[in-house]
Amino acid sequence: AQSVAQPEDQVNVAEGNPLTVKCTYSVSGNPYLFWYVQYPNRGLQFLLKYITGDNLVKGSYGFEAEFNKSQTSFHLKKPSALVSDSALYFCAVRDEEGDNAGNMLTFGGGTRLMVKP
Amino acid sequence: NAGVTQTPKFRILKIGQSMTLQCTQDMNHNYMYWYRQDPGMGLKLIYYSVGAGITDKGEVPNGYNVSRSTTEDFPLRLELAAPSQTSVYFCASSMTGASYEQYFGPGTRLTVT
Repeated sequence: AQSVAQPEDQVNVAEGNPLTVKCTYSVSGNPYLFWYVQYPNRGLQFLLKYITGDNLVKGSYGFEAEFNKSQTSFHLKKPSALVSDSALYFCAVRDEEGDNAGNMLTFGGGTRLMVKP
Repeated sequence: NAGVTQTPKFRILKIGQSMTLQCTQDMNHNYMYWYRQDPGMGLKLIYYSVGAGITDKGEVPNGYNVSRSTTEDFPLRLELAAPSQTSVYFCASSMTGASYEQYFGPGTRLTVT
């Protein structure tokens, strides 16, 4: 079975400071990892993904994430936070060796990011 | 390019009523999904489809039904609505293959009273 944990319900950061949103995962095989962002009253928007290759993945809006296989983590980062980054962030995982026919993802519970001016 | 569209945006149902949530995508994606998101929680998969005529249960299918007669449309049917089905429902689609990201619709906020 695959699972995802986002240990922080909320992360507070001042505008201009770096931000990190944490994610750890568990899969049987190799992971496919995704980050999504949800703004109020909107659907989820794809930010970035790790499939294979370079452990540092760059995505939309200046976000990046680092895949760490030994720590089974995929933390989301941004060097300088903006107030407009305030939103709900979801990490998701799929096992490359999953036996399901569909592209089913397991989502974490979400982390609310609050960026204050 | 509209992406994934859902109707209605909001709906209030009485206990025991039924309704269909509509979902359409214009990206020619084979895979489509229905999720529910409860307050303060992540997403839980209700049903998914890997192509027209093929559907399968997800994590929380009880009380719901789906059909997939075309590539574009994937309606979700609620029969005999219950308060436990109060939630926000998201439809999503993706290309075929495990490495592809999912594209989400704007959601339907459903209240059952």
